[in-house]
Amino acid sequence: GAGVSQTPSNKVTEKGKYVELRCDPISGHTALYWYRQSLGQGPEFLIYFQGTGAADDSGLPNDRFFAVRPEGSVSTLKIQRTERGDSAVYLCASSLGQGSNEQFFGPGTRLTVL
Amino acid sequence: AQRVTQPEKLLSVFKGAPVELKCNYSYSGSPELFWYVQYSRQRLQLLLRHISRESIKGFTADLNKGETSFHLKKPFAQEEDSAMYYCALMIDNYGQNFVFGPGTRLSVLP
Repeated sequence: GAGVSQTPSNKVTEKGKYVELRCDPISGHTALYWYRQSLGQGPEFLIYFQGTGAADDSGLPNDRFFAVRPEGSVSTLKIQRTERGDSAVYLCASSLGQGSNEQFFGPGTRLTVL
Repeated sequence: AQRVTQPEKLLSVFKGAPVELKCNYSYSGSPELFWYVQYSRQRLQLLLRHISRESIKGFTADLNKGETSFHLKKPFAQEEDSAMYYCALMIDNYGQNFVFGPGTRLSVLP
């Protein structure tokens, strides 16, 4: 079984553009998390899905950030009107949920906003 | 506000020496704490969690609620332990929100 995968691995965009980052969790994992990791920092929580619904989106920094998980599997993190400060590694993790808190992380997408 | 601190950005020890990676947290609820590790060119992965009270790869961590600490310890460091270590706190509000510390890079010298 494959682990969590994320695409693209690298994304370079220009300020003001729109980007989508994709996460494929481990099959059967109901919980999915997005984090942002800036240089020299630990992962910063953005949003948590349980199934299709966003159970906790308190970490999204502003309304330019949005994430969906329409079928309870693949998730897309969407960033509108990107800013240079959005440059970071975006990590996705999944877990079995239902009391299991071990998160399995993907390799991350490195986003660079020029 | 919930917070996790790891005071050392870099910790260097010699092979065979004891190692302690410090982690302190602030949280008003009942904490659930984890240590995650990231080896060079690998993904972040769970090392251990306080509720399971396990010893993984010779590492242990004890939750001290009085001192709000969850330090990671190993009596004899090995070169393969060199990695980034992150302490994480799970906040169970209406979801499962995790707060990670800034990380400590452990370098085990030969």
